[in-house]
Amino acid sequence: AQKITQTQPGMFVQEKEAVTLDCTYDTSDQSYGLFWYKQPSSGEMIFLIYQGSYDEQNATEGRYSLNFQKARKSANLVISASQLGDSAMYFCAMRGSTWKLTFGTGTRLTIIP
Amino acid sequence: GAGVSQSPSNKVTEKGKDVELRCDPISGHTALYWYRQSLGQGLEFLIYFQGNSAPDKSGLPSDRFSAERTGGSVSTLTIQRTQQEDSAVYLCASSPIEGGTYEQYFGPGTRLTVT
Repeated sequence: AQKITQTQPGMFVQEKEAVTLDCTYDTSDQSYGLFWYKQPSSGEMIFLIYQGSYDEQNATEGRYSLNFQKARKSANLVISASQLGDSAMYFCAMRGSTWKLTFGTGTRLTIIP
Repeated sequence: GAGVSQSPSNKVTEKGKDVELRCDPISGHTALYWYRQSLGQGLEFLIYFQGNSAPDKSGLPSDRFSAERTGGSVSTLTIQRTQQEDSAVYLCASSPIEGGTYEQYFGPGTRLTVT
């Protein structure tokens, strides 16, 4: 069984500051993938970043980076220089030996001007 | 190119009625997934298709829920004898299965309200 834990139900961050959203996972699979999705108030799920379990480098996509610590089973999302448009729900998800994604409960991020 | 589309965008139905939700995946994506998101919750996996077959139906909450996929493309999720606890947003996603991250691309969802 796979499990994703996001312990921050909500966060408030000042605009232009960096923010870290926490995610820990549990799986018995040796090969797995970790994803972060953004869900604005409009409801669509937007893919942000992916990290494979065998990737040696932390993934980066523009202002997004994934702080992958395999031994600690954590995959935190770091957003640099936050913007007002970053206000949304953020979900961490994992894909293991099956194709389905297992999602965490999400973190609601609010950027304060 | 065109993304994943879902219809209807909103559906209000009376308890006990049957509903059909449709998903049109990205052209060429072999894998198709259905998820459910209840208010303020994360996404709950329902069923996964590879081509027209469903190797994983483990998330379907009861035998009132069924899904099919025809021609390796469009999928329909059917809920029979709807109950109030079925009210949720039903999200469909598709992904390729060759190479890459197998990232899932989501549709806009169907908001189902059972009164």
